[in-house]
Amino acid sequence: DAGVTQSPTHLIKTRGQQVTLRCSPKSGHDTVSWYQQALGQGPQFIFQYYEEEERQRGNFPDRFSGHQFPNYSSELNVNALLLGDSALYLCASSLYTEQFFGPGTRLTVL
Amino acid sequence: RKEVEQDPGPFNVPEGATVAFNCTYSNSASQSFFWYRQDCRKEPKLLMSVYSSGNEDGRFTAQLNRASQYISLLIRDSKLSDSATYLCVVNGQGGSEKLVFGKGTKLTVNP
Repeated sequence: DAGVTQSPTHLIKTRGQQVTLRCSPKSGHDTVSWYQQALGQGPQFIFQYYEEEERQRGNFPDRFSGHQFPNYSSELNVNALLLGDSALYLCASSLYTEQFFGPGTRLTVL
Repeated sequence: RKEVEQDPGPFNVPEGATVAFNCTYSNSASQSFFWYRQDCRKEPKLLMSVYSSGNEDGRFTAQLNRASQYISLLIRDSKLSDSATYLCVVNGQGGSEKLVFGKGTKLTVNP
């Protein structure tokens, strides 16, 4: 049983560019959440998707957007990248209480 | 005030030591509580959920005090493999709410 998978594993972009990160949830899970983890910090909640709708959103600007597909996979899009967007982006999937995390995508903005 | 605050650490302990992690949370409506473990450059993994009555899993014991909004994790007889960052996590009602993480406390167990 495959766990949560994310792609790509690493990404380097320059300021002002746009990026799309992808996540496939654990088999049977219907809810996907995205988190940003800056170096030395705990993960910060970006948003959560359920039934292809954004169900809850954290304190992130509109530059951060997402999508969930009918197969429950999800994308995170970030526009107009800033240096401060450099972080590990984690996807977590869940069916009920426990959230299972993917390995993350490490984004570096130069 | 941060939503979840943890001991800043880091903790450096010898093998076999007992180590305690402390955490406080600000949202009295929080319903679920967890300790996650995160190895260097890896994703967080659930270590254990924390229940009001306290719970134990082998060498690990978690306690919750709702009145004080305080959570703890005790590791007994620490092993080298326990070296990691320990994250205190709370969420709201039900499993579909966002997880709120503390900053984490780094533990290094030395031989």
